[in-house]
Amino acid sequence: NAGVTQTPKFQVLKTGQSMTLQCAQDMNHNSMYWYRQDPGMGLRLIYYSASEGTTDKGEVPNGYNVSRLNKREFSLRLESAAPSQTSVYFCASSGRGAGDYEQYFGPGTRLTVT
Amino acid sequence: RKEVEQDPGPFNVPEGATVAFNCTYSNSASQSFFWYRQDCRKEPKLLMSVYSSGNEDGRFTAQLNRASQYISLLIRDSKLSDSATYLCAVSSWNAGNMLTFGGGTRLMVKP
Repeated sequence: NAGVTQTPKFQVLKTGQSMTLQCAQDMNHNSMYWYRQDPGMGLRLIYYSASEGTTDKGEVPNGYNVSRLNKREFSLRLESAAPSQTSVYFCASSGRGAGDYEQYFGPGTRLTVT
Repeated sequence: RKEVEQDPGPFNVPEGATVAFNCTYSNSASQSFFWYRQDCRKEPKLLMSVYSSGNEDGRFTAQLNRASQYISLLIRDSKLSDSATYLCAVSSWNAGNMLTFGGGTRLMVKP
């Protein structure tokens, strides 16, 4: 099993450009999450999907959109990138059953917006 | 006040030392607790869950103190390879299955 995979690993964007970060998991998990991690700020939840067909905002959703394409895939879109969105983005998944909270993370995408 | 707080460190310890970290949480409805390890420029990886009765895995011991609302991680006989950032994470019954993470404690084990 590959676990949680993310593409791309690195990306440089110019202000105003758009892009989609891809995430997939092969653990049959119900829930998926997008975090950003900045120095001194820890992991902050952007959006999450508790189950296929549902998405909800997290702590820092502004400037982002998500799509839960199917049970395996959860994408994060930046419509108009800003320098404040320079960060490391992690996708995670959890929940093979009720009360299963342990989250498993992908390798991350390092995004720089100039 | 942050919902989950950790001393950012760094904790600098010699090889073979015992080191302990605490993580405090503010939500009394918290029900599940975890320690994650994050190496530099890598993703967080689950180290261990923290049960009410405590949890031990080799040199690592995790404890929960519900009365004082903190969890702890004890590392015995520190190895150079233990150098990393340790994140605590907490879930609450009133927050679905989301985790709230602390900012992490950095550990550096020196020869």
